[in-house]
Amino acid sequence: ILNVEQSPQSLHVQEGDSTNFTCSFPSSNFYALHWYRWETAKSPEALFVMTLNGDEKKKGRISATLNTKEGYSYLYIKGSQPEDSATYLCAPGQDNDMRFGAGTRLTVKP
Amino acid sequence: GAGVSQSPRYKVAKRGQDVALRCDPISGHVSLFWYQQALGQGPEFLTYFQNEAQLDKSGLPSDRFFAERPEGSVSTLKIQRTQQEDSAVYLCASSLAPQMGNTIYFGEGSWLTVV
Repeated sequence: ILNVEQSPQSLHVQEGDSTNFTCSFPSSNFYALHWYRWETAKSPEALFVMTLNGDEKKKGRISATLNTKEGYSYLYIKGSQPEDSATYLCAPGQDNDMRFGAGTRLTVKP
Repeated sequence: GAGVSQSPRYKVAKRGQDVALRCDPISGHVSLFWYQQALGQGPEFLTYFQNEAQLDKSGLPSDRFFAERPEGSVSTLKIQRTQQEDSAVYLCASSLAPQMGNTIYFGEGSWLTVV
């Protein structure tokens, strides 16, 4: 079973704050890592798929980095807005196994 | 259809009733996931299939929950003797090979309310 940990479990920030959270996973036999944004009552939205060590991806104010050697990925949100409030899920793939972490629940207060 | 299809979209069950939730993944997708999200809580992993093989069922909350994918395509999540705490949205997702970087596609969910 692939052990995926996301931290923190939840995060409350003020509008305009920048924030980041972590996805940790076993580094052996890594293939790819997915980040998703999940708002209540909606289907999860794909943010990034990352495959190479050192990958950095950016989409608007959201960016992500990947370190496959040490087994972690960071997701950054610059200048958080209330509409960024959601649960952010990561899912690393390893061999034939893949699973989502429990997510980081972000709340951005106006 | 082109996307992941789930049915029923909405289900109200009486406590103690059995329910079955269906997921039609995108044709040809090998990997299939079930997730549960209770109101006000984060999503919880339930189970993962690769073709017909259930590789991980560690997230199923009790032995009342059972998932199958007998022919490696359509999957059914069955909940026996439903309890009020089973009320949640159940999301299904599929992918060709997510561990290789292929996108994971989600259905719109089945909303279960147990009364």
